Amino acid sequence: QKEVEQDPGPLSVPEGAIVSLNCTYSNSAFQYFMWYRQYSRKGPELLMYTYSSGNKEDGRFTAQVDKSSKYISLFIRDSQPSDSATYLCAMRAWNTDKLIFGTGTRLQVFP
Amino acid sequence: EPEVTQTPSHQVTQMGQEVILRCVPISNHLYFYWYRQILGQKVEFLVSFYNNEISEKSEIFDDQFSVERPDGSNFTLKIRSTKLEDSAMYFCASSGDRGSTTNEKLFFGSGTQLSVL
Repeated sequence: QKEVEQDPGPLSVPEGAIVSLNCTYSNSAFQYFMWYRQYSRKGPELLMYTYSSGNKEDGRFTAQVDKSSKYISLFIRDSQPSDSATYLCAMRAWNTDKLIFGTGTRLQVFP
Repeated sequence: EPEVTQTPSHQVTQMGQEVILRCVPISNHLYFYWYRQILGQKVEFLVSFYNNEISEKSEIFDDQFSVERPDGSNFTLKIRSTKLEDSAMYFCASSGDRGSTTNEKLFFGSGTQLSVL
């Protein structure tokens, strides 16, 4: 079983839709969870950071972590064409510097 | 807004040559990292660096790789003898002090695309 699994997509939605992006993981030691957005040939840009379980909201973005199910989600409300990018989940355990990334989900929001 | 700066944006080299990739982390950050992304694959951890020494490294980071912070602002990755399989986008990242809540928030540069011919 891969440490972090993420559906690569592509996911194509109309402008204004609610987008749900997900990752599952196998390592129960993961405690720090992040979502990054990556535009083509650019570096990952940090969107959301969550420690342990729970929800976190920032504007149109909501991150959820369910440690009991080893499942994390990112919701984007009122999606915009400018949200079109690849979304990467990333996580790490408490005792390491190493971030483990998912493969990324390519999202396209069409007008 | 402060950002991580990487140079060059593209580097082409011949197999067996040495390359140095350069990064200027965010100025008040204390942790520095290199990651790489081979085309079509995941972003992979290479090395972390804190207090002028390697904090952690992956199995990818073998003896061909080294990192250095030659002055107060630059952070470099050297590949001594490049191989074809070293072709990738190399990302530098930085984060705050381990004792703060911002350590886990890594900020990435735009990357250096390394092509080994």
